[in-house]
Amino acid sequence: DIQMTQSPSSVSASVGDRVTITCRASQGITNYLAWFQQKPGKAPKSLIYAASSLESGVPSRFSGSGSGTDFTLTISNLQPEDFATYYCQHYNTFPHTFGGGTKVEIK
Amino acid sequence: QVQLVESGGGVVQPGTSLRVSCEGSGFTFISYAMHWVRQAPGKGLEWVAVMSSDGNKKYGDSVKGRFTVSRDNSKATQSLQMSNLRGEDTAVYYCAKGRSGWPNDAFDLWGRGTTVTVSS
Repeated sequence: DIQMTQSPSSVSASVGDRVTITCRASQGITNYLAWFQQKPGKAPKSLIYAASSLESGVPSRFSGSGSGTDFTLTISNLQPEDFATYYCQHYNTFPHTFGGGTKVEIK
Repeated sequence: QVQLVESGGGVVQPGTSLRVSCEGSGFTFISYAMHWVRQAPGKGLEWVAVMSSDGNKKYGDSVKGRFTVSRDNSKATQSLQMSNLRGEDTAVYYCAKGRSGWPNDAFDLWGRGTTVTVSS
């Protein structure tokens, strides 16, 4: 199975900051990588697919990059509604493993 | 309105069975792969299973042989039959719609989830 490692596990940031979350796959997954946002008590929300394609309706301050084994999610100009937990997931082979999550907290 | 609505969760004893379902609306259900993802209390997300639009089924290692996914396209519903349930199956179960009928594709829509508690 492919393992997905996210870092950091948590980050403290202020409104307006730029936040970068990384996700590393234990083997190459080309660009079969998605990012999700989850707020407490709520279902996850799809943000990015194919490593860098933004889902419809997702603000442009969210961006994704990477290919192969190393990927990043960047949130520019962090907004109050962006404080949440973020997960990466590969869908290259089965099982479609998730990363452990990164909690973005208010500094 | 495009949405997924799960149902069927509850409290069950270890070793028993439970069936959870997910009804889709606002899209052509038959054309898309449908997944199940779960989240244990206070933990991260775990991919559980998928059924593609052409009926191909895949499962996560922790549920293989115990869980079975199915779908009724006439009712725009997919189901997850869970048997020999264990305490570690306690979780919120979400269904998620694939972006295509192919099982190796990203999700673009999630349901709100249904809670399954396995406890004696």
